[in-house]
Amino acid sequence: GNSVTQMEGPVTLSEEAFLTINCTYTATGYPSLFWYVQYPGEGLQLLLKATKADDKGSNKGFEATYRKETTSFHLEKGSVQVSDSAVYFCAPPVPSGGSYIPTFGRGTSLIVHP
Amino acid sequence: EAQVTQNPRYLITVTGKKLTVTCSQNMNHEYMSWYRQDPGLGLRQIYYSMNVEVTDKGDVPEGYKVSRKEKRNFPLILESPSPNQTSLYFCASSPDGGSGANVLTFGAGSRLTVL
Repeated sequence: GNSVTQMEGPVTLSEEAFLTINCTYTATGYPSLFWYVQYPGEGLQLLLKATKADDKGSNKGFEATYRKETTSFHLEKGSVQVSDSAVYFCAPPVPSGGSYIPTFGRGTSLIVHP
Repeated sequence: EAQVTQNPRYLITVTGKKLTVTCSQNMNHEYMSWYRQDPGLGLRQIYYSMNVEVTDKGDVPEGYKVSRKEKRNFPLILESPSPNQTSLYFCASSPDGGSGANVLTFGAGSRLTVL
């Protein structure tokens, strides 16, 4: 089953507003944590990743820190743009039979108005 | 160009008519996976494959079959499609799925409508 909880959307913001999309997970000891983004009409693509506890992933002005103590990997951006309108997926790999299987949160739709 | 290619991109079919959605990757990836995306439900895994001839059920395998006879291809088969399989389907691959550290590369998606 899904072990990740992602805040529900849609999140609607004005351009240049601050963005936070919450993501929490239930397991421990993830090898890495990921955020993927899906722009309208496209497949998912990697936005950023963190490879160990306390590591911060960043890309395109977005940041997320792998916080083991709070089991969270919240996505933030200081000033959103209209072009950031997309669906964002938190993606912790889930342990399964000695391996890790990629899994996804339900996605959070972000709508940025000019 | 490194990519995952799905076909067809769009398909309208009728209940019970067998169909196959193909997926091919040119990156020599070991891990491949199929997902369906539905409004309000996010991305759900149908089947995955850790390597050639190794496939496993995901969260929603009912009504689907897959095969992995060669590394680059991972077709999704709907033997008798039903309207509840109307969805947007994504194929993805990564160098290996077991480590949990690799990035998935996604195809562009296949929108299937079953009437």
